Amino acid sequence: NAGVTQTPKFQVLKTGQSMTLQCAQDMNHNSMYWYRQDPGMGLRLIYYSASEGTTDKGEVPNGYNVSRLNKREFSLRLESAAPSQTSVYFCASSEAPVREAFFGQGTRLTVV
Amino acid sequence: RKEVEQDPGPFNVPEGATVAFNCTYSNSASQSFFWYRQDCRKEPKLLMSVYSSGNEDGRFTAQLNRASQYISLLIRDSKLSDSATYLCVVKRANSGYALNFGKGTSLLVTP
Repeated sequence: NAGVTQTPKFQVLKTGQSMTLQCAQDMNHNSMYWYRQDPGMGLRLIYYSASEGTTDKGEVPNGYNVSRLNKREFSLRLESAAPSQTSVYFCASSEAPVREAFFGQGTRLTVV
Repeated sequence: RKEVEQDPGPFNVPEGATVAFNCTYSNSASQSFFWYRQDCRKEPKLLMSVYSSGNEDGRFTAQLNRASQYISLLIRDSKLSDSATYLCVVKRANSGYALNFGKGTSLLVTP
């Protein structure tokens, strides 16, 4: 029972490099989300996808792009990484408005 | 002003103590309410949903006051394993029903 799977778990990038964080869920959820978590800031929404084929900006979208590849997969791309993007990134999915969200194990990204 | 406000703590309590966490939210359109637990360097996991009538799950009791836009979590008979960060979470209709998180309240239960 995998739930939400994120890859990679750890990554170190140099400033200016690009990378894609992958996320897949096997619970047939419609909605998927990307959050970042920084010390003292809590979890902040980067982008979300309310359903397959739609994506929208969250609270902190600058410097990121997303793709909802299909119902299962929702990727997050950093086109030109900056040290300010050093963070822990969590992918989550949810079925219905009043139901809880399930999280992946997180990706710890360091940009040097 | 952040949409969900929590006292960050830390709360240091002895085993067996009762501890309460409070949370306020600013958006009256909030529809669903949760407490999540997050262990160090782990993902958040649902502790319990919060219902308008209040609800209990073992040693944990959650209350919601929509008029005051206030949520609480009570932990009775604290265990060492309760040590974690507790996240107050609200969900509203826009933003694709994304979860809006408080910054969390840190709890340390000591022997």
